[in-house]
Amino acid sequence: DTAVSQTPKYLVTQMGNDKSIKCEQNLGHDTMYWYKQDSKKFLKIMFSYNNKELIINETVPNRFSPKSPDKAHLNLHINSLELGDSAVYFCASSQRTMNTEAFFGQGTRLTVV
Amino acid sequence: AQTVTQSQPEMSVQEAETVTLSCTYDTSESNYYLFWYKQPPSRQMILVIRQEAYKQQNATENRFSVNFQKAAKSFSLKISDSQLGDTAMYFCAFIGNNNAGNMLTFGGGTRLMVKP
Repeated sequence: DTAVSQTPKYLVTQMGNDKSIKCEQNLGHDTMYWYKQDSKKFLKIMFSYNNKELIINETVPNRFSPKSPDKAHLNLHINSLELGDSAVYFCASSQRTMNTEAFFGQGTRLTVV
Repeated sequence: AQTVTQSQPEMSVQEAETVTLSCTYDTSESNYYLFWYKQPPSRQMILVIRQEAYKQQNATENRFSVNFQKAAKSFSLKISDSQLGDTAMYFCAFIGNNNAGNMLTFGGGTRLMVKP
């Protein structure tokens, strides 16, 4: 069983569209995250979320929003896509109270054309 | 704010030899956690090794070990008996104990090529 799974793995879309990336974890973790990896491979946190609080990296445009229907899911919604949004997006989860390592999904390569 | 620096963008090593990847970090916290993640061409992020700052003993995982120098804020990764499957991007990462969101701060990565 995949611990953290994301869908889709690849997403190609036109500028201006709205898209979502889904993420599910079956590890029973209490915290989920979205990270962005740019074309130079640099990884940066976008959001940290558990059932109590959402922490947003201040550099993330408000076109990006996480939606969590339940503890095991954290989806990423992106409105009005721009060329600069092209990147690989990683979902991850961890057990926050134990400061343990994060487990990552396989990533979604988003290409905006 | 914490920063993590990997000063070697690319490295190569012959199969079966040993290679060391460098990582330095900056923080004002006294307790924190450090990690090395591997990202092979498959893109999957895989945890290689983990070190808790309050533990003086360096972590080891099979062929992978770290040299943790807390005073120098240095956290290097040594790969012994390198294998072709070790070819990947390697990322050093940090979580501070006071990090409200438990979010990782990553270094810029080192691309390691293991040559046959």
